[in-house]
Amino acid sequence: GNSVTQMEGPVTLSEEAFLTINCTYTATGYPSLFWYVQYPGEGLQLLLKATKADDKGSNKGFEATYRKETTSFHLEKGSVQVSDSAVYFCALSLNYGGSQGNLIFGKGTKLSVKP
Amino acid sequence: DGGITQSPKYLFRKEGQNVTLSCEQNLNHDAMYWYRQDPGQGLRLIYYSQIVNDFQKGDIAEGYSVSREKKESFPLTVTSAQKNPTAFYLCASGTRNSPLHFGNGTRLTVT
Repeated sequence: GNSVTQMEGPVTLSEEAFLTINCTYTATGYPSLFWYVQYPGEGLQLLLKATKADDKGSNKGFEATYRKETTSFHLEKGSVQVSDSAVYFCALSLNYGGSQGNLIFGKGTKLSVKP
Repeated sequence: DGGITQSPKYLFRKEGQNVTLSCEQNLNHDAMYWYRQDPGQGLRLIYYSQIVNDFQKGDIAEGYSVSREKKESFPLTVTSAQKNPTAFYLCASGTRNSPLHFGNGTRLTVT
């Protein structure tokens, strides 16, 4: 079946450290891939997306590249800030070009950044 | 400002009672969704609606019901048949080729 696996947290880093959160997927067909972020007490916000192989999504210093050969979409940031502390969700959608609501989510990775 | 409003933020109910969670959007989105979030479980799709007066079951629809009488509104009822209703519930809306917009969620506690 279709699924998303992301590294378990929590991840604790010092400010300005390099961040990697691993995400791999299993899907039939050609999924679109997403990273969402959830700040404490809030809903989810789209952080970045990629809709085909080798696409790189980027936003707010975060990047992720759609790697079809390794079925991965790892999230990276070169220098994290305390304000990046949140839960990060990797997700896929098989409705390319259609509604993105039928998303399949990973379990989330909690990131804590210490000053 | 356009957005999705979920109310209330916190909700407490006794076991055996039905409870309805509100979700309203003024984004003019056709599609609306309900997700359930549990610690360590990620998000799971309960119900979704692509158009007014139509909706489909998601992965964990048992014990839940919805209606979509207006484009702006997609209320979720948690019935007494839901075995484990305590959770954080998220509503979302979207259109073709656009990212989902999420509300800020309702935390339901059933005792």
